[in-house]
Parts: sequence; C-alpha cells; structure tokens
Amino acid sequence: AQTVTQSQPEMSVQEAETVTLSCTYDTSESDYYLFWYKQPPSRQMILVIRQEAYKQQNATENRFSVNFQKAAKSFSLKISDSQLGDAAMYFCAYRSEETSGSRLTFGEGTQLTVNP
Amino acid sequence: NAGVMQNPRHLVRRRGQEARLRCSPMKGHSHVYWYRQLPEEGLKFMVYLQKENIIDESGMPKERFSAEFPKEGPSILRIQQVVRGDSAAYFCASSQSWGARIEAFFGQGTRLTVV
Repeated sequence: AQTVTQSQPEMSVQEAETVTLSCTYDTSESDYYLFWYKQPPSRQMILVIRQEAYKQQNATENRFSVNFQKAAKSFSLKISDSQLGDAAMYFCAYRSEETSGSRLTFGEGTQLTVNP
Repeated sequence: NAGVMQNPRHLVRRRGQEARLRCSPMKGHSHVYWYRQLPEEGLKFMVYLQKENIIDESGMPKERFSAEFPKEGPSILRIQQVVRGDSAAYFCASSQSWGARIEAFFGQGTRLTVV
C-alpha cells in the first residue's frame, strides 16, 4: 500500500520569505501523480500544484514550486514570497493508475503560519 | 458550471441517530469519492462509486456506514447509529472518468458533530 508522510506538523514563515514543506512517500508503482493541496480555515480543498512522476522537470505554479526526487521518493513544496493568504494546512497527496480511479492518498498535513 | 455541492455544511446528531450526507458531483461527472477527515488529521479515503455501482469500499468501516450513487440524484453517505467517534469532516470529490490522470474536484465538506 502507498503511504505519504509529512514530518512537519507545523511550520512558520515571515511574510515575503521562502518556506519549504517536506513530503515523502512510499510506493512500488512506476506511474503516479503527486499533489499539494491547500486547506484554509474554510476547509475547501484547493489544488496548489501537481507533478507527474514520469516528468523529470519540477512543476511550477507562480510562487509555488516543487522539488521532486523520484529515487528518494521525496516531493517538497517551496513557497516563495510568502503572503498572509498562504496561511493554511497543506496536504501532500499521491495517486496512481494502479489504485481505484482518481483516489488520493493524503499525508497528515503541515499547518503553515505566515507572520506579518 | 457549479462545482461539487455538499449538503448540509454542518450537521449535528445525537448519539444513536442516523446521519445522511449528500454530494452532487460536477455536471458531467459520474465518479464520486468520499473521504473522512478526523480532527487534526489528513483526509482518508472511504469509498469510490460510479453511477449505481460501488467500485471500491476498502476504506469504509464495516458496520453502520453505507454509500450509494443512484442513477438520478446525489450520492449519499449514510451513517447509522452515530457515535462520538464519527464526528469529522466528510468530503466528497468527483471526476469525469477513471484514472490517475483524471482530476478530481472537491466539495466544501460536511462537518458532522455527534453530541
């Protein structure tokens, strides 16, 4: 079974600074996707960024980028120029072709605080 | 095109009552997933349904929980004889078809409180 581990229950960053959230996963599959979701206090799950395992290039979405290390099974999220609106719970998630449909396996989350 | 709609947003039930959570997928989506988020935890997969079929219920508790997705109408997650431990946020996601490349979209969740 696949597992996703987020070892940082809480992180904090100063506004305008950069922060990196860690995620590792365990799988024996070769074709899969990795995701970072943001969950603000409203509880809405918002997709931040996705990475396809067969792509070597790290995904980037504006101020959000990932460092995908396939051999190490590591998938960290970097947030540059942090803004107050980035404060939220962040979940790393995994999905593969070999599991049911578009089912996701989530990590336990990292609570990000942005200090003004 | 409305997103995934879940209702109610908040539901309070006394121990022993039944809870019914509804999920209307996005238009054109025929695949529905239910997840449970216990306090201070990540989302855990419960069940995957297509219209009129349960595809994967490996995450569902063996007793008291059931799910359906009828040909017409929303998907329903039903919890019978609720207990305090059922208090959680329940999320529904929907997708257009099957596969890892297919994006699933989340609703805003239903927060169930059992008193």
